[in-house]
Amino acid sequence: EAQVTQNPRYLITVTGKKLTVTCSQNMNHEYMSWYRQDPGLGLRQIYYSMNVEVTDKGDVPEGYKVSRKEKRNFPLILESPSPNQTSLYFCASIATPPRGYYEQYFGPGTRLTVT
Amino acid sequence: GQNIDQPTEMTATEGAIVQINCTYQTSGFNGLFWYQQHAGEAPTFLSYNVLDGLEEKGRFSSFLSRSKGYSYLLLKELQMKDSASYLCAVKRERYSTLTFGKGTMLLVSP
Repeated sequence: EAQVTQNPRYLITVTGKKLTVTCSQNMNHEYMSWYRQDPGLGLRQIYYSMNVEVTDKGDVPEGYKVSRKEKRNFPLILESPSPNQTSLYFCASIATPPRGYYEQYFGPGTRLTVT
Repeated sequence: GQNIDQPTEMTATEGAIVQINCTYQTSGFNGLFWYQQHAGEAPTFLSYNVLDGLEEKGRFSSFLSRSKGYSYLLLKELQMKDSASYLCAVKRERYSTLTFGKGTMLLVSP
């Protein structure tokens, strides 16, 4: 079954404690992306990756890092989390031509609370 | 820059038809997507338009007018399970990913 998995699904942590949210896809997509979703602001892109070792900033990259060492995995790293990073995070894997037209397949989401 | 506008909320009755509008201003337009998102869940892909006209898929249809920077999602024979947020998203030519609108919360009542 084609899917995008994220872990953990829920996390409560404290300010400054480094954390990583993992994302994995089994569709052999080259493109992947991270979003955060906040009430009244919608989905905003944090980082995206066009292939292994190729990443670029989205609209709200401050405070986040990513890596793409393998095609299937695209972890999101918060080196020093702060309360304003409390949010719902989604990883997406993107189908590109000829297998698709950039439609995004989202993971189940990670609800992060930073106290 | 980009600007994507859609109504914040809409209400409709079970069995009715509802149209959710989306207007956008962007350079290098290369396709418009609609996604459905139930509360607390991930968005799921509904439709894709890159050329002008209507695309029909079961109870859902999506329309695009590139000259007007306008799209709508039409939902027919509404069911209670259609209560969700509907996200309009635009792809720009030079970029591989999407920019999303803030979403329209649709509430279907009996």
